[in-house]
Amino acid sequence: AQSVTQLGSHVSVSEGALVLLRCNYSSSVPPYLFWYVQYPNQGLQLLLKYTSAATLVKGINGFEAEFKKSETSFHLTKPSAHMSDAAEYFCAVTHTGGGNKLTFGTGTQLKVEL
Amino acid sequence: NAGVMQNPRHLVRRRGQEARLRCSPMKGHSHVYWYRQLPEEGLKFMVYLQKENIIDESGMPKERFSAEFPKEGPSILRIQQVVRGDSAAYFCASSPRGTAPLVEAFFGQGTRLTVV
Repeated sequence: AQSVTQLGSHVSVSEGALVLLRCNYSSSVPPYLFWYVQYPNQGLQLLLKYTSAATLVKGINGFEAEFKKSETSFHLTKPSAHMSDAAEYFCAVTHTGGGNKLTFGTGTQLKVEL
Repeated sequence: NAGVMQNPRHLVRRRGQEARLRCSPMKGHSHVYWYRQLPEEGLKFMVYLQKENIIDESGMPKERFSAEFPKEGPSILRIQQVVRGDSAAYFCASSPRGTAPLVEAFFGQGTRLTVV
């Protein structure tokens, strides 16, 4: 069985500040990990994914995440927040053979303040 | 190339009625996934279908819920005799292949079902 825990259901940062959204996973097999962003009343858009290649993964909109097996973590970061980053962010996990049957975390709502 | 199309975007049903949610995958995609997002929760997998086949329905409630993906036409998620607890956003995702997460699944904008 796989699971994802996102610490902090709400995160607030100032524009220009570092964004750090936390994700820890549990998996008995090597995981594939994803970050998705959801804007209000929209579907999910893939930000980035880890599929056992480089542990530091760069995504769209300046986001990146680092896979740390020893910490079972896949935290999402962005050096400088922009107002347009305000959205809900979901971490998700699957595994080889799991296809796109994803297990999602409960999400983190990011607020960006002036 | 249009994205994943879901309709209706919003659906209101009275308790006991039936709800039909439609999902047209991206062109060339033959794999469809349905997810449900309850208020204040993440998305939960419901069912995975290929054309004319249900591959994995481990996330589907045992009663009242069914899904199909016919040879022609959209995938349909059907909820019979809806109850207030069915109120949620239902998302469909499609991919050209189902076995590799290296192949991205694209999500639709969802159908927001409200049961009154």
